[in-house]
Amino acid sequence: GENVEQHPSTLSVQEGDSAVIKCTYSDSASNYFPWYKQELGKRPQLIIDIRSNVGEKKDQRIAVTLNKTAKHFSLHITETQPEDSAVYFCAASIGSSASKIIFGSGTRLSIRP
Amino acid sequence: GAVVSQHPSWVICKSGTSVKIECRSLDFQATTMFWYRQFPKQSLMLMATSNEGSKATYEQGVEKDKFLINHASLTLSTLTVTSAHPEDSSFYICSASRGMNSPLHFGNGTRLTVT
Repeated sequence: GENVEQHPSTLSVQEGDSAVIKCTYSDSASNYFPWYKQELGKRPQLIIDIRSNVGEKKDQRIAVTLNKTAKHFSLHITETQPEDSAVYFCAASIGSSASKIIFGSGTRLSIRP
Repeated sequence: GAVVSQHPSWVICKSGTSVKIECRSLDFQATTMFWYRQFPKQSLMLMATSNEGSKATYEQGVEKDKFLINHASLTLSTLTVTSAHPEDSSFYICSASRGMNSPLHFGNGTRLTVT
């Protein structure tokens, strides 16, 4: 069935360093890939998204890359700060009609001071 | 814009009772709303896709007679957990989007505890 795999499940980086989270998806028709940040007890918040007609997108310290051939997409956070600590989820739309969005298993990111 | 309101934020109920959760898109019309379930320290698992004016589409393994979904208008979808049991205790969260390939906007979620 359709699935999105996410790695690593936990990630600890020194403040100021970069963090990279990787995801793969199974549905070749997927064409929309959002990333969400969820802080403890709160709703997921969209931080960046990318569509299949673009290979890379950047917003300040956050960037996402997409390799449609390999069905890989990644989140890059540079110059990490303590407030970046949270759980990050990748997601992918399913089907050419993007009728639903399914999520990866999540990455718990911790920023060490 | 794109505010989604979910109510209640938490509820405690006894086994065998039913609980209704409301999800409203406050400043946009949502043809489609999605209901997710999240266990502690786990991902968001899609339960069903709620389409305005038609029956919901349930994911495999989700009992449609237990989790009743109604999407009566373009701004309101409800999830009713019928005959709740302790194993139904979880965090239920709805989301809505403006359309295909558009960001999902999430409600605050409802923490359900069944005693």
